[in-house]
Amino acid sequence: AQKITQTQPGMFVQEKEAVTLDCTYDTSDPSYGLFWYKQPSSGEMIFLIYQGSYDQQNATEGRYSLNFQKARKSANLVISASQLGDSAMYFCAMREGLDSSYKLIFGSGTRLLVRP
Amino acid sequence: NAGVTQTPKFRVLKTGQSMTLLCAQDMNHEYMYWYRQDPGMGLRLIHYSVGEGTTAKGEVPDGYNVSRLKKQNFLLGLESAAPSQTSVYFCASSIRPGGLAGDTQYFGPGTRLTVL
Repeated sequence: AQKITQTQPGMFVQEKEAVTLDCTYDTSDPSYGLFWYKQPSSGEMIFLIYQGSYDQQNATEGRYSLNFQKARKSANLVISASQLGDSAMYFCAMREGLDSSYKLIFGSGTRLLVRP
Repeated sequence: NAGVTQTPKFRVLKTGQSMTLLCAQDMNHEYMYWYRQDPGMGLRLIHYSVGEGTTAKGEVPDGYNVSRLKKQNFLLGLESAAPSQTSVYFCASSIRPGGLAGDTQYFGPGTRLTVL
């Protein structure tokens, strides 16, 4: 079974509007971390935001915020005031604490296109 | 401070040829990882290292070998390249996990490998 599910292969958003990218996860490990990465057309992976499973508050980093709903096992990324430079692939990833490698498990990604 | 660098950026191989991809990080990170990214998919872990002189298998290790002789370098080798190994390869590193942001993985720019 997939551990990270991103159900939106592609999305459009109008410049300056907010957009939510969905991510659901599956784990029985009580200790885990959730990450979002941005991959622009140039190909590099850029870390955006992190949420720990024990964090009481939703993570925020500038225009990025993570809507963490633990009971629903969802970790949606919210981008406020979209900019043209936000057009990219976005990947949700999870790290399970019981896995001593601390490897990341990635979803298949969502391609976001910001319209002017 | 270059972060994580990868050499080369692009490479074309013929089936059966061998090559080594080099990853270097200047952040004194303990953990290093090699991932591959295939079209339409997220990243999958090939091998990883939890410290100098250690290596371990990830999700898709077959056909690859790795070495971590120095803390700052992590080498990925293909002994006999196959067309199925055509992919984009990413190296990542993280400090020893423990802190709030201690397990954030920082990625190199990627190596695009084509095997004919």
